[in-house]
Amino acid sequence: EVQLVESGGGLVQPGRSLKLSCAASGFTFSNYYMAWVRQAPKKGLEWVATISTSGSRTYYPDSVKGRFTISRDNAKSSLYLQMNSLKSEDTATYYCARGEGTANWFAYWGQGTLVTVSS
Amino acid sequence: DIQMTQSPASLSASLEEIVTITCQASQDIGNWLSWYQQKPGKSPQLLIYGATSLADGVPSRFSGSRSGTQYSLKISRLQVEDIGIYYCLQAYSAPWTFGGGTKLELK
Repeated sequence: EVQLVESGGGLVQPGRSLKLSCAASGFTFSNYYMAWVRQAPKKGLEWVATISTSGSRTYYPDSVKGRFTISRDNAKSSLYLQMNSLKSEDTATYYCARGEGTANWFAYWGQGTLVTVSS
Repeated sequence: DIQMTQSPASLSASLEEIVTITCQASQDIGNWLSWYQQKPGKSPQLLIYGATSLADGVPSRFSGSRSGTQYSLKISRLQVEDIGIYYCLQAYSAPWTFGGGTKLELK
């Protein structure tokens, strides 16, 4: 059974950093693109980052480019999101998702971890 | 960036009714369109990928179609468990973009 379990969320002050983790199991992690998608409270879904199978290619929207870094450890079947210079608008539930093909769609999602940026 | 304009924003329908939700892409995205259902307090669930392919385990009353740059999700006979928020996603080019969502309620 495919499982994605996020961790690392919490309350953080503006301007500070936080690192999210996603532990994957039930599939060969190294064979799949992975992504982070977030959802602000009562708002819609927003794509945050995608990483290729080897980690050599990463993609970000302008809203987080230069502040967020997606990475992976295939030996540990783990995905990460390093978030720096956090802003109040980064407050959201962050989901880890498994991409199919080159992340053309997301068939599996984690349960999400809540990040709250507030002083 | 490719914009995905989803409509309607909200929809109230009766049981057994046919429901259609649409997403209009701002440019050609081929078949790189997927649909997701999200129930309150839950993670999104994949319904349709490749614009028209039904995801594993999804009831056959769900279907997807494409006409040019307009994509549609159809629920042939609305059931209670179909209540939730629906999103489309384009993955043709970065940045991947979601539609604004359609909140589906029972009349």
